[in-house]
Amino acid sequence: AQSVSQHNHHVILSEAASLELGCNYSYGGTVNLFWYVQYPGQHLQLLLKYFSGDPLVKGIKGFEAEFIKSKFSFNLRKPSVQWSDTAEYFCAVRSSGGSYIPTFGRGTSLIVHP
Amino acid sequence: NAGVTQTPKFQVLKTGQSMTLQCAQDMNHNSMYWYRQDPGMGLRLIYYSASEGTTDKGEVPNGYNVSRLNKREFSLRLESAAPSQTSVYFCATIEGGYFNEQFFGPGTRLTVL
Repeated sequence: AQSVSQHNHHVILSEAASLELGCNYSYGGTVNLFWYVQYPGQHLQLLLKYFSGDPLVKGIKGFEAEFIKSKFSFNLRKPSVQWSDTAEYFCAVRSSGGSYIPTFGRGTSLIVHP
Repeated sequence: NAGVTQTPKFQVLKTGQSMTLQCAQDMNHNSMYWYRQDPGMGLRLIYYSASEGTTDKGEVPNGYNVSRLNKREFSLRLESAAPSQTSVYFCATIEGGYFNEQFFGPGTRLTVL
């Protein structure tokens, strides 16, 4: 069974700091990878996704993620965070070997101080 | 075009009471999912429906039942609520296809006393 691990549970940054959130998955076959964001009091929405091609994926609001197959990783990055990036971030994976059910990581809570 | 809607937004139950959470989508998606979100636990899949007429258990199905009433609607029922079911419940859909992302509803915040 596939699993997703997010290493940072809570991250606190000041505005303009750089961000990197870790995500590792366990499935060895073909995967489809996602990062979702949940702003306070809101539902999850897609930040970016990877399914093939260029391993560096750009998403909304200046976020990007890099798929490193050899490391089973899909880390999320942003060069300069803003107060409005305060949210919870979830990594998710869907694998080709099974029922295509997405598996989510436990999430990372990001707080950005102005 | 409302996307994914959920009712109610908030609910307080007493232990042993029953209730049904409703989810509807107007995107003509085949697959629908129910998740619960608890602090530090992320999203855990309760049940899903790959298509109209089919339902399957997810990671944490105990204490819940579901009905895929038609392509648009997927309801989640708590027959006898317990305090451990206090959570935020999200419904989600996928258009179909391996590459597609999920679309989430606004959530139902349930408290069981």
